[in-house]
Amino acid sequence: VVLTQSPGTLSLSPGERATLSCRASQSVSGSVLAWYQQKPGQAPRLLIYGASNRATGIPDRFSGSGSGTDFTLTISRLEPEDFAVYYCQQYGSSPPYTFGQGTKLEIK
Amino acid sequence: QVQLQESGPGLVKPSETLSLTCVVSAYSINSGYYWGWIRQSPGMGLEWIANIYHNGNTHYNPSLKSRVTISVDTSKNQFSLNLTSVTATDTAVYYCARRTPAMAFDYWGQGALVTVSS
Repeated sequence: VVLTQSPGTLSLSPGERATLSCRASQSVSGSVLAWYQQKPGQAPRLLIYGASNRATGIPDRFSGSGSGTDFTLTISRLEPEDFAVYYCQQYGSSPPYTFGQGTKLEIK
Repeated sequence: QVQLQESGPGLVKPSETLSLTCVVSAYSINSGYYWGWIRQSPGMGLEWIANIYHNGNTHYNPSLKSRVTISVDTSKNQFSLNLTSVTATDTAVYYCARRTPAMAFDYWGQGALVTVSS
C-alpha cells in the first residue's frame, strides 16, 4: 500500500487550523492507521493511532479522522511547537508497514 | 517511561555487515509487544525493516528479508539487527521502536546514524 501525503509543505501561522491529508493506494483498515510528528534531529513521535485515537500525552488540539483510502490529521489551533514534519503510517499487506513521504508544516 | 537506546558502529564498509543493538529500559521485553527496526534516509524516507516478539517470532520487510536478521536477548532486555552486504543505499538513521497492538510504534530510540562508505 502506498501512502501519499498532501500537501508537501503547508505554510500557516500560529493560531490557525492545519489540515493534513493521507491517501492510500488501496483501502486501509482505520484501526491500523497512525500519525507521527517529527522535529529535526528527533525520532518520530506517535500522535494518533487507529485513525482517531490520541496517543498518551498528546494534546486534544490534535485529531485524526477518515476511513478507506482517505485520512486526515487536524491541528485545531497551531502552537509554535507544532511546526514539524508529519507522517502517516499504515499496517497491511506486503510490506506490512509503510509510511507516507511526509508533510512539512512551516511557519508562514 | 519506556526508553530505547541504539548502539553500534557509525561507519560500515560496503559489502560488510551492519550490526546494531537496542537496549530497552523501564520495560521488560518478556512482558509483551513486538519490537522493531525502522530506518530513515533522504532518498527512501521512513522504511520499516523488521519486528520481533520476545518468543523469537519475527516479521521482515520482503524487500530486505534476504539480508536482514533480527534477534532478541531477553536476559539482557535487548534486541539486535544484522544487515548483510551493505551498500551506500543502506546509509540511514536506524531507529528501534516498540510496536503497539494497534500496529503503531509508540516508543522510539533516539536513532543511530550509520554511514556505508569505504
